[in-house]
Amino acid sequence: GNSVTQMEGPVTLSEEAFLTINCTYTATGYPSLFWYVQYPGEGLQLLLKATKADDKGSNKGFEATYRKETTSFHLEKGSVQVSDSAVYFCALSDLNTGNQFYFGTGTSLTVIP
Amino acid sequence: EAGVAQSPRYKIIEKRQSVAFWCNPISGHATLYWYQQILGQGPKLLIQFQNNGVVDDSQLPKDRFSAERLKGVDSTLKIQPAKLEDSAVYLCASSLGLGLGTEAFFGQGTRLTVV
Repeated sequence: GNSVTQMEGPVTLSEEAFLTINCTYTATGYPSLFWYVQYPGEGLQLLLKATKADDKGSNKGFEATYRKETTSFHLEKGSVQVSDSAVYFCALSDLNTGNQFYFGTGTSLTVIP
Repeated sequence: EAGVAQSPRYKIIEKRQSVAFWCNPISGHATLYWYQQILGQGPKLLIQFQNNGVVDDSQLPKDRFSAERLKGVDSTLKIQPAKLEDSAVYLCASSLGLGLGTEAFFGQGTRLTVV
């Protein structure tokens, strides 16, 4: 079946540090991959996505590359800011299962000044 | 563009009581999802609608949960009777359809506490 495994948190970084949040997936078909972010007190919102192998999604300085050979979609940012403090969810959707979304457990990031 | 609207934002009920949540998706979005997010876990799909038809309700506890999407727009999720383990955030999301890479837009959720 479909599933997403992501790095356990919480993660605490100093401002301007490098961020990596690992995400691997299992899928029966050829999924699309997403990173969603949930800021404190807000709903889930799309951060970036990729729909085919070797595609790179990017937004707000965050990047993730769809790696079919390692079934991974790791989230990276070169220099985090305090405003990046949030919970990050890796997710996939699969046309074979009606495009429902499968989420990881979420990784809480706190950036300290 | 208005986002996905959900109400209420918070609800506290006693076990064995009933509760209903309402969702208004983004205008024109054919697909509507209800997810349950238990504290510390990722969202888990309860039911998915395409227009007013059900695509997937395999993880909906049908002995106590029900959902409907009349006229293919608004949706209501009901729990009756509630159990302590139903305490969670209930998220509604919508998307344009079933295309590759189609993004889902989420509401702010309803936080349910069952005491």
